[in-house]
Amino acid sequence: GQNIDQPTEMTATEGAIVQINCTYQTSGFNGLFWYQQHAGEAPTFLSYNVLDGLEEKGRFSSFLSRSKGYSYLLLKELQMKDSASYLCAVRDSNYQLIWGAGTKLIIKP
Amino acid sequence: IAGITQAPTSQILAAGRRMTLRCTQDMRHNAMYWYRQDLGLGLRLIHYSNTAGTTGKGEVPDGYSVSRANTDDFPLTLASAVPSQTSVYFCASSEGSEDTEAFFGQGTRLTVV
Repeated sequence: GQNIDQPTEMTATEGAIVQINCTYQTSGFNGLFWYQQHAGEAPTFLSYNVLDGLEEKGRFSSFLSRSKGYSYLLLKELQMKDSASYLCAVRDSNYQLIWGAGTKLIIKP
Repeated sequence: IAGITQAPTSQILAAGRRMTLRCTQDMRHNAMYWYRQDLGLGLRLIHYSNTAGTTGKGEVPDGYSVSRANTDDFPLTLASAVPSQTSVYFCASSEGSEDTEAFFGQGTRLTVV
């Protein structure tokens, strides 16, 4: 079966750096996505990786290793507004998105 | 304001009743999706449409139906609601099925009692 694994919850301190990991086993691979979802709100797009390596976008970076079935989202200079759930999703061979359950990130002052 | 709109925002529904969740987008996106989100689980695809006039089944289609008569609208119908359909429902759209970004509506919180 298809599976996306990510930690359920993480805690970090304002101003620090946090890395959220995602491992996947899917039938085919056509890209990996990270979305941010604040409580009670809709998911919003953060990043997309289809080739191995690091994609940087401001304070957020996303890394992909296709051979290891592994990605991480790196958040730098954490702000209180970064408290949210972070969703990892993989697009499979049918171009359908398979979603992880999300990682709830708690930022403490 | 451009975007994707869902209605209603929330609903309490008696089991056995029929219910249609509405979704409208004004971005002229070809692809649209319906997901449900349950605590502890990832978003699960119910139905999708790659272009107006076509629809497809996702991971959890049973008990749900959709139609795509035009580009903008993608309603989701529960023919006879059951308590297990209590969930938060998200509609999403993207320019194409292979596009890199999907835009989500604000969600409909449905409780079936």
